[in-house]
Amino acid sequence: DAKTTQPPSMDCAEGRAANLPCNHSTISGNEYVYWYRQIHSQGPQYIIHGLKNNETNEMASLIITEDRKSSTLILPHATLRDTAVYYCIVRVAPGTYKYIFGTGTRLKVLA
Amino acid sequence: GAVVSQHPSWVICKSGTSVKIECRSLDFQATTMFWYRQFPKQSLMLMATSNEGSKATYEQGVEKDKFLINHASLTLSTLTVTSAHPEDSSFYICSARDPGTGIHNEQFFGPGTRLTVL
Repeated sequence: DAKTTQPPSMDCAEGRAANLPCNHSTISGNEYVYWYRQIHSQGPQYIIHGLKNNETNEMASLIITEDRKSSTLILPHATLRDTAVYYCIVRVAPGTYKYIFGTGTRLKVLA
Repeated sequence: GAVVSQHPSWVICKSGTSVKIECRSLDFQATTMFWYRQFPKQSLMLMATSNEGSKATYEQGVEKDKFLINHASLTLSTLTVTSAHPEDSSFYICSARDPGTGIHNEQFFGPGTRLTVL
């Protein structure tokens, strides 16, 4: 079973920030949180990952709570091309490389 | 990021035939690759872990004799769907871990192969 839960869908106005939450209450101390997105009929695209500090790259920011039980992916200025399913993933177990995908959040950016 | 390709991007076959899908890491050597299956409007489901030079590890419920995986080199893994039936129609996606740049074990995904069995 996936170790993460996400809302099934969200809408966001174009140009506004999109904040996508994820709960991972059973995450262990040395497990990273990964975010990917999947645009229709394509393979998932890596966005960002983090352990406990907030992270930022050219695509997004990742905010991880102090207790590491939840995180938020922020797309600062959403565009129509950001419409996709966003997956938050924690590895199955420390020391393995397997991902188990949850249901993800379907983000729709509205013009 | 690292680049992973798949071939073919789509395939249509008759029921009872076998189909081979290739997954290649283009600019890195992947000791570990993964195969996923995705049905319409559903999430990705991990089928198996492909390890270079050894047998694949299949997830529970995935028939290893039906979904043959070969990882003969550090840049190529193949998935063969044997005796395909319409219920095998799906989107098959591979991923690879780059032990060099993927130091935090992020996986890089191929573009997927859409299989339609008539």
